[in-house]
Amino acid sequence: DPKIIQKPKYLVAVTGSEKILICEQYLGHNAMYWYRQSAKKPLEFMFSYSYQKLMDNQTASSRFQPQSSKKNHLDLQITALKPDDSATYFCASSQDSRAGNTLYFGEGSRLIVV
Amino acid sequence: GEQVEQLPSILRVQEGSSASINCSYEDSASNYFPWYKQEPGENPKLIIDIRSNMERKQIQELIVLLDKKAKRFSLHITDTQPGDSAMYFCAANPGYQNFYFGKGTSLTVIP
Repeated sequence: DPKIIQKPKYLVAVTGSEKILICEQYLGHNAMYWYRQSAKKPLEFMFSYSYQKLMDNQTASSRFQPQSSKKNHLDLQITALKPDDSATYFCASSQDSRAGNTLYFGEGSRLIVV
Repeated sequence: GEQVEQLPSILRVQEGSSASINCSYEDSASNYFPWYKQEPGENPKLIIDIRSNMERKQIQELIVLLDKKAKRFSLHITDTQPGDSAMYFCAANPGYQNFYFGKGTSLTVIP
């Protein structure tokens, strides 16, 4: 019974289009993250949020925009999609952003851009 | 951010033998070091972790060692079984910062 829900699980998008990846966590955590996994860069950190505030952004492109409408939500909007954006996007959460809190991953959203 | 190096990238061992994966980090502020196992098509799952106030931790067949002076930590799987075949990721977590992952080790246990 997953406690971090990601939608959709699979997604095929056309180059140039825009998509939103949804993430909701039911662990009562205050910190949420997005990671990207591809053959080239396994588990690449993208964003971290704590109490709905952006803590760190290590994604060079502004085409990736996280959106936190509620404490337990952290969606990822991707605009002007490119084939290189094809990857599995993992949402994750931890109790808070302090060191030493276990990081839990959602089941991932696999994006293919054609 | 923190840089984590993980070796080897590919590891094949005979069933019943031990497997070792080594990681190193750069930021001396890192004080929490989890290990994740990821099976094909699934998400990474925490299998064991160690904090900077420890040098060794064991959970059943999993042993992690931490050498803070050398900024190295390692995972040792004793008496490997085919079910241990998976990708393994180490990570380092500096205080109030994010989790930085190694590039992963693909472990295959040969029956």
